[in-house]
Amino acid sequence: GAGVSQSPSNKVTEKGKDVELRCDPISGHTALYWYRQSLGQGLEFLIYFQGNSAPDKSGLPSDRFSAERTGGSVSTLTIQRTQQEDSAVYLCASSLLGRTTNEKLFFGSGTQLSVL
Amino acid sequence: DAKTTQPPSMDCAEGRAANLPCNHSTISGNEYVYWYRQIHSQGPQYIIHGLKNNETNEMASLIITEDRKSSTLILPHATLRDTAVYYCIVRVGTGTASKLTFGTGTRLQVTL
Repeated sequence: GAGVSQSPSNKVTEKGKDVELRCDPISGHTALYWYRQSLGQGLEFLIYFQGNSAPDKSGLPSDRFSAERTGGSVSTLTIQRTQQEDSAVYLCASSLLGRTTNEKLFFGSGTQLSVL
Repeated sequence: DAKTTQPPSMDCAEGRAANLPCNHSTISGNEYVYWYRQIHSQGPQYIIHGLKNNETNEMASLIITEDRKSSTLILPHATLRDTAVYYCIVRVGTGTASKLTFGTGTRLQVTL
């Protein structure tokens, strides 16, 4: 596609439910990143993928959070047993990860998650 | 990745140059300086990056001091649409993915 696509754009869920957030990176981009941004706060790194593997999961806040990427393309971020503090905008980004050092990240518009 | 320090907010009159400073005194020799901005309700957008030399593109100019401990992003003719949070980030520029650590950035308000 033309850009990074995230779905849904908005998700309202009840506390304790599981949610899945989807990210479609730019075609051909091998690196994929997940961040979250709470209201009025900066971006918090969650995880990144290089191909289908995730060398750095250090940002995942708890074992309720997991992410996978299949086929080197689409990624899904899953939050189990959601809590109110999980409410935030979840942002996905991708980059080409070519031989050059010009690693621009292209961000999607995010998924606004609201846990009631 | 090295830590960066930016002023929390700045104002700029429309049509004037906006000069956004960033301190990165612990930057390593192989770390690049990147600038992104985030307009309200959107994902961050890449602006420019550099290693040692000053850089210019269609959006902005990046001035890096000779000792590389600080840099300035320049928007030569700010418009109302440049109102955003601007993030200065340093990271190793290699062919390996690594996380970008975003600080709190500078909230630039462009006014009439």
